[in-house]
Amino acid sequence: EPEVTQTPSHQVTQMGQEVILRCVPISNHLYFYWYRQILGQKVEFLVSFYNNEISEKSEIFDDQFSVERPDGSNFTLKIRSTKLEDSAMYFCASSAQGGPDTQYFGPGTRLTVL
Amino acid sequence: QKEVEQDPGPLSVPEGAIVSLNCTYSNSAFQYFMWYRQYSRKGPELLMYTYSSGNKEDGRFTAQVDKSSKYISLFIRDSQPSDSATYLCAMSHGQAGTALIFGKGTTLSVSS
Repeated sequence: EPEVTQTPSHQVTQMGQEVILRCVPISNHLYFYWYRQILGQKVEFLVSFYNNEISEKSEIFDDQFSVERPDGSNFTLKIRSTKLEDSAMYFCASSAQGGPDTQYFGPGTRLTVL
Repeated sequence: QKEVEQDPGPLSVPEGAIVSLNCTYSNSAFQYFMWYRQYSRKGPELLMYTYSSGNKEDGRFTAQVDKSSKYISLFIRDSQPSDSATYLCAMSHGQAGTALIFGKGTTLSVSS
């Protein structure tokens, strides 16, 4: 069964450093998303991406964040200058074009900012 | 008022019990309603989705949506220890590309 994959599973970084989180969405999906989950809190939407453009973004997704589809299979989230409060699980998701909004999630990347 | 509210539990039941999980919401624009299951430190796994009001059944799982009351439920029949997980409700306004708004999740423990 096709699935969303994410790398790395765990990333440790120093405050102020740049990190790139990588995702490979399900191959025939056209909509891509990033969410985050701070320990003990809700899963929160960050951004959605379609046709090489951001479709929707939340207030969390400020100028420190960017997304890119560098090739036909990868989808990345970059955090330019990490803060302690960026420590969280980051989930990538994808959905097919049209039909109900059924988003399939990857296993997540645990980001720890020291 | 929070957009999506969900009792975090924990909820503990014996094997074989019927489990009822619920969410309430405030935004009447929500049209799509999902239930995800999340094991510890893993990604949410889509269990069921429903469009607008009504019931949907899949094996031991039944999802119900009552838009007039802004209330959704997930029922698990004949619960198994493997059902022990956190169950997240999620909702969205529209079709592909829109944000999912999640509840905080209910932690379920099924004992054998």
